[in-house]
Amino acid sequence: DVKVTQSSRYLVKRTGEKVFLECVQDMDHENMFWYRQDPGLGLRLIYFSYDVKMKEKGDIPEGYSVSREKKERFSLILESASTNQTSMYLCASSLSPGLGASGYEQYFGPGTRLTVT
Amino acid sequence: TQLLEQSPQFLSIQEGENLTVYCNSSSVFSSLQWYRQEPGEGPVLLVTVVTGGEVKKLKRLTFQFGDARKDSSLHITAAQPGDTGLYLCAGASSGTYKYIFGTGTRLKVLA
Repeated sequence: DVKVTQSSRYLVKRTGEKVFLECVQDMDHENMFWYRQDPGLGLRLIYFSYDVKMKEKGDIPEGYSVSREKKERFSLILESASTNQTSMYLCASSLSPGLGASGYEQYFGPGTRLTVT
Repeated sequence: TQLLEQSPQFLSIQEGENLTVYCNSSSVFSSLQWYRQEPGEGPVLLVTVVTGGEVKKLKRLTFQFGDARKDSSLHITAAQPGDTGLYLCAGASSGTYKYIFGTGTRLKVLA
């Protein structure tokens, strides 16, 4: 059974703290993604990584950074947490689509609900 | 910026009714996916459609990709309480790693 796990289901942090969200996948997938999910806005891509040590900004990267030192692990870092980063954070992984291909499935973790006070 | 609009945003129906959820964009996608997300869980893939006009069926769920590959619909026949959840569409362009997600439709089926 394929699996994406996230380090915490719920997290409460104070404004200004550095926050680490960890994601691990056991499917040997090349691609990994971090999204945030807010009511009425759907899922918005923060960062994605298509290989170890490779990363690209998504649609809303401001205030976030990422690290991918090993293929199975993708970390999201909030350098200085702010209240507007209170959200549900979802990690996903997928195979690489290949040139001209599409339709690959993303496998999601259960999410981390982060509250910044 | 590519956008995917879903309608309706919320839907509350009685068990046994039929419903259709729409996913629309002004952009062309090479593939489109539908996911269902239950409370406290991440989204789970239901189907991927890649050909304009394609229709796929998954038990009581029927998915259609528009001829111009700009829109899609999800039709549920005889809805059951187990269909309750958040339905998300997601579109991708050829050769990219990224999917653009729709705004979501929250469905509640009452017994």
